[in-house]
Amino acid sequence: GQNIDQPTEMTATEGAIVQINCTYQTSGFNGLFWYQQHAGEAPTFLSYNVLDGLEEKGRFSSFLSRSKGYSYLLLKELQMKDSASYLCALMDSNYQLIWGAGTKLIIKP
Amino acid sequence: GAVVSQHPSRVICKSGTSVKIECRSLDFQATTMFWYRQFPKQSLMLMATSNEGSKATYEQGVEKDKFLINHASLTLSTLTVTSAHPEDSSFYICSAPDRGRGGYTFGSGTRLTVV
Repeated sequence: GQNIDQPTEMTATEGAIVQINCTYQTSGFNGLFWYQQHAGEAPTFLSYNVLDGLEEKGRFSSFLSRSKGYSYLLLKELQMKDSASYLCALMDSNYQLIWGAGTKLIIKP
Repeated sequence: GAVVSQHPSRVICKSGTSVKIECRSLDFQATTMFWYRQFPKQSLMLMATSNEGSKATYEQGVEKDKFLINHASLTLSTLTVTSAHPEDSSFYICSAPDRGRGGYTFGSGTRLTVV
């Protein structure tokens, strides 16, 4: 079967760095996505990793280790607008997305 | 980039009535559209996958006769909630593969409240 785990909630300070982890178990893998979702809005795409390593995109970076079934999203220079839920999603062998429950990130001044 | 326009953004309807939600791909052809439902503080739950010109594929536990999906063209997919009940109140979101980027583009979502 497939399983995705990520922390329910995290708190960080404005200007700081935060790492949101995602672990998964799957029999088939076609990539891992990170999405940002503000309350009451649709998710917006942040990153896609299919190969091991770090993908950097501005203040956000995403890392993948397929052998460990592990990914993280790294947010630098946190801003208040980064307060949102961050969803980890796995694309399985059938190219279907399996969603994690999301991590609610709270940014404090 | 690819844009999916979803309407309406909010709708309030009476129990027993039907509501239609539209998702249009504005600058690309969406041969596949995913329909999700999200309850408060929960993750996205895939309801069904629509494919242009063929019948939609529904996830286990989703009533086909209640949630009617039509994907009549490469740019339009619709979800109709028939005989709506208060428990159908939720956030409904469509999504189409963005083949250029490899990710998925989401509509802006529809907040349905059934009273």
